[in-house]
Amino acid sequence: QKEVEQDPGPLSVPEGAIVSLNCTYSNSAFQYFMWYRQYSRKGPELLMYTYSSGNKEDGRFTAQVDKSSKYISLFIRDSQPSDSATYLCAMNSGGSNYKLTFGKGTLLTVNP
Amino acid sequence: GAVVSQHPSWVICKSGTSVKIECRSLDFQATTMFWYRQFPKQSLMLMATSNEGSKATYEQGVEKDKFLINHASLTLSTLTVTSAHPEDSSFYICSAPTTGESEKLFFGSGTQLSVL
Repeated sequence: QKEVEQDPGPLSVPEGAIVSLNCTYSNSAFQYFMWYRQYSRKGPELLMYTYSSGNKEDGRFTAQVDKSSKYISLFIRDSQPSDSATYLCAMNSGGSNYKLTFGKGTLLTVNP
Repeated sequence: GAVVSQHPSWVICKSGTSVKIECRSLDFQATTMFWYRQFPKQSLMLMATSNEGSKATYEQGVEKDKFLINHASLTLSTLTVTSAHPEDSSFYICSAPTTGESEKLFFGSGTQLSVL
């Protein structure tokens, strides 16, 4: 079993839809959870950063962490064509250990 | 967020030549930087951890003599692909963590290397 599992998609939705992206993980030591957005041929851009279980909202984005189920989600409300990108979940055990374990990424296309 | 600058954004070189990629933290100091490699439609693969003032730490299976890393200062790390071959063609990305209350990892814009 891989440490982090992420459905690679592709996922295609109409503009304005609510998008749900998910990752599961197996390492119970993971405490810091991140979502990155990566446009083609660009470096990943940090979208959301959460610690431990709970929800965090930032504009149209909501990150959700359920440590008991080892499951994290990213919700995008009112999706826009500019949201079309690959979304990567990432996590680590925190502290000085910055080695992130990444999911494979989900390719999202928002159609106008 | 913090800014990590990576240069060049793309490079084409002949087989057998060496290519240097620079990674700079523009508005913060980074004693540690990370170098990743990414194949098309694949996730990021950590190659090595660059440490300011000491040797880099390479991940298993990464040839340290092929991928030379130098962390010359608290804001600059370089990756040199030596004697490049077509199989080294890939997208290389660096990252650097900020420190303090909110420790986050920021990425450079990546370098597309094509070896002919």
